[in-house]
Amino acid sequence: DQQVKQNSPSLSVQEGRISILNCDYTNSMFDYFLWYKKYPAEGPTFLISISSIKDKNEDGRFTVFLNKSAKHLSLHIVPSQPGDSAVYFCAASTNFGNEKLTFGTGTRLTIIP
Amino acid sequence: KAGVTQTPRYLIKTRGQQVTLSCSPISGHRSVSWYQQTPGQGLQFLFEYFSETQRNKGNFPGRFSGRQFSNSRSEMNVSTLELGDSALYLCASSLAEGHSYEQYFGPGTRLTVT
Repeated sequence: DQQVKQNSPSLSVQEGRISILNCDYTNSMFDYFLWYKKYPAEGPTFLISISSIKDKNEDGRFTVFLNKSAKHLSLHIVPSQPGDSAVYFCAASTNFGNEKLTFGTGTRLTIIP
Repeated sequence: KAGVTQTPRYLIKTRGQQVTLSCSPISGHRSVSWYQQTPGQGLQFLFEYFSETQRNKGNFPGRFSGRQFSNSRSEMNVSTLELGDSALYLCASSLAEGHSYEQYFGPGTRLTVT
């Protein structure tokens, strides 16, 4: 039972444009959400997170939006840069991030120069 | 400060064998979690150790086990290896129990079972 879903396995975006990565979840107990970025041969690195008490969190070029009623979150990257090419995982947790993470299957983002 | 280290980085085993993977957390971090990454499945939580005690366990068979030492280093063991165990095994450390919001991942051990 995949409680966190990333339905797009891959996404290609032109450099300078906006990249939008989507994630859906089914467990209404999730109250903390994170995005990780992973390069080949490296472990995932934390990008940005959001608590269920907010609907938007911004950090530089990265913004995460949370729609609790739709059980949907998205990561916006603008402008997209070649170094953003990586696999992006969304993850969810309960107890405001103090419990284990449940990850999605990942979306491979390719930025086209 | 050194990051999370995992050894070995690559491993090839045959079916039926057993394997032990090692993880050294960031200095001062006391919690270690293990994940299995396979294509199409993403990262799946195996277990978390804190203060040498297993705090949380994912939905994996008993062939997967782990332990944590007093210096917070952790090992993961898989017995009677199956082809489906081929995966990237990642460990992550955090300062305290739970604290998934501040996990730092190691580079992983790539296990291939033939």
